[in-house]
Amino acid sequence: AQSVTQLGSHVSVSEGALVLLRCNYSSSVPPYLFWYVQYPNQGLQLLLKYTTGATLVKGINGFEAEFKKSETSFHLTKPSAHMSDAAEYFCAVSASSASKIIFGSGTRLSIRP
Amino acid sequence: KAGVTQTPRYLIKTRGQQVTLSCSPISGHRSVSWYQQTPGQGLQFLFEYFSETQRNKGNFPGRFSGRQFSNSRSEMNVSTLELGDSALYLCASSWAQGAQTDTQYFGPGTRLTVL
Repeated sequence: AQSVTQLGSHVSVSEGALVLLRCNYSSSVPPYLFWYVQYPNQGLQLLLKYTTGATLVKGINGFEAEFKKSETSFHLTKPSAHMSDAAEYFCAVSASSASKIIFGSGTRLSIRP
Repeated sequence: KAGVTQTPRYLIKTRGQQVTLSCSPISGHRSVSWYQQTPGQGLQFLFEYFSETQRNKGNFPGRFSGRQFSNSRSEMNVSTLELGDSALYLCASSWAQGAQTDTQYFGPGTRLTVL
C-alpha cells in the first residue's frame, strides 16, 4: 500500500526566502510522485511530477522537487518565495498507472512581506 | 481550450436527501476521476471512469456512485446524505486511462453542505 506524509501542516517564510515543503512516501513499488497546489476556492493544479528518469524534476512557477529513493522523500523547493506562492500544497503518490493517487494531508504555505 | 467544469458550484441539502454532481472534462479527455476534500480527511479518491467504465474505486460506501456518458461527461450521486458528506467534491480529467501518470486537470469543485 502507498502512503504520503507531509511534515508541517503550515509553513511560513519571508518573501524572497527559500521555500522547502517536505514530503515522505511509502510504496512497495517504484512510485509515481506528484506535487499539486490549490489556491483558495479553486481546484488543484499540477506543479510537477516524477515518473521515471531524472530525479530532479522542474515544475511550473519556479518550483522543483528531488526524488530520493534512499530517503523515500520528494521535497518541494523554490529558491525565492513570492507573495503569489501563498496556497495549499499537496504531495501525492501512485504505485503505477493502474493505481489510484493517494494525497498527503497538505501544507499551507504563508508568505510574510 | 475550456477547462474542467463542474456544476453546480455550491449546493445545500438536508440529511437523507440525495444529490447529483456533474463534471464536464476537457475536450478530448476520456478519463474522469472524482475526489472528496474535507478538512478532517483531506483529499480522498472516490472513483475513476474511463470510456464509460469504472476502472478504479476508493473506500467509500455504496451511497456514493458515479457514471460516465459517451461524451465523457461524468456524474456522481450521493444518496441518503449524511452530515459528514459535507465537503468539496473535485473532478479531474486526463487524456488516457492510467490517469495517475497523465496530468490530471482539476475543476473548481462543487461545495456540498449537508444540514
